[in-house]
Amino acid sequence: DSGVTQTPKHLITATGQRVTLRCSPRSGDLSVYWYQQSLDQGLQFLIQYYNGEERAKGNILERFSAQQFPDLHSELNLSSLELGDSALYFCASSVLAGAEDTGELFFGEGSRLTVL
Amino acid sequence: DQQVKQNSPSLSVQEGRISILNCDYTNSMFDYFLWYKKYPAEGPTFLISISSIKDKNEDGRFTVFLNKSAKHLSLHIVPSQPGDSAVYFCAASLTGNQFYFGTGTSLTVIP
Repeated sequence: DSGVTQTPKHLITATGQRVTLRCSPRSGDLSVYWYQQSLDQGLQFLIQYYNGEERAKGNILERFSAQQFPDLHSELNLSSLELGDSALYFCASSVLAGAEDTGELFFGEGSRLTVL
Repeated sequence: DQQVKQNSPSLSVQEGRISILNCDYTNSMFDYFLWYKKYPAEGPTFLISISSIKDKNEDGRFTVFLNKSAKHLSLHIVPSQPGDSAVYFCAASLTGNQFYFGTGTSLTVIP
């Protein structure tokens, strides 16, 4: 158990819809990362938040947005869903100490999104 | 633009032999490299890491080698065990911020 909790584990929805994925980081971790893993693809970095503020942005579509709340949990919002958005979405957390981060990410079990 | 590449999607090795998983990267500014292991229906878990100031890091049966001039990273598992069967992702980071992952190599250790 990594200590990172993601909900829901599975989600099936239709094209054009909007969904919200939720992540609770490990206790004490200030940084949250979102990754997308599509079929036969690696983990594509979407976005990182640190202590409530956006820290880094990757290949995140404009239809997607995220935020980190004061209690440090994070939500990834996916809107106007397309078939190609079907993927496994992972949240990870880490402790950041300036530039001396250990580099270790703790991943949740993922949220599997299926868009029909 | 895939900055971290794992060109072998799969690898099969006999139990007790050495498993060598390879990874190439394009950005010479990466300063930290990691390997993660993933079992089905689970999230990736950290396995071993190496800083760019080193060329080798060892942890039990797992050794990571870094060749900065070739921008190449490898993970050696010896001896390989059936429980090592999993998907292995290599990752690279810039000062611990963005982490770039490869596409993964599925390792099967045959008993």
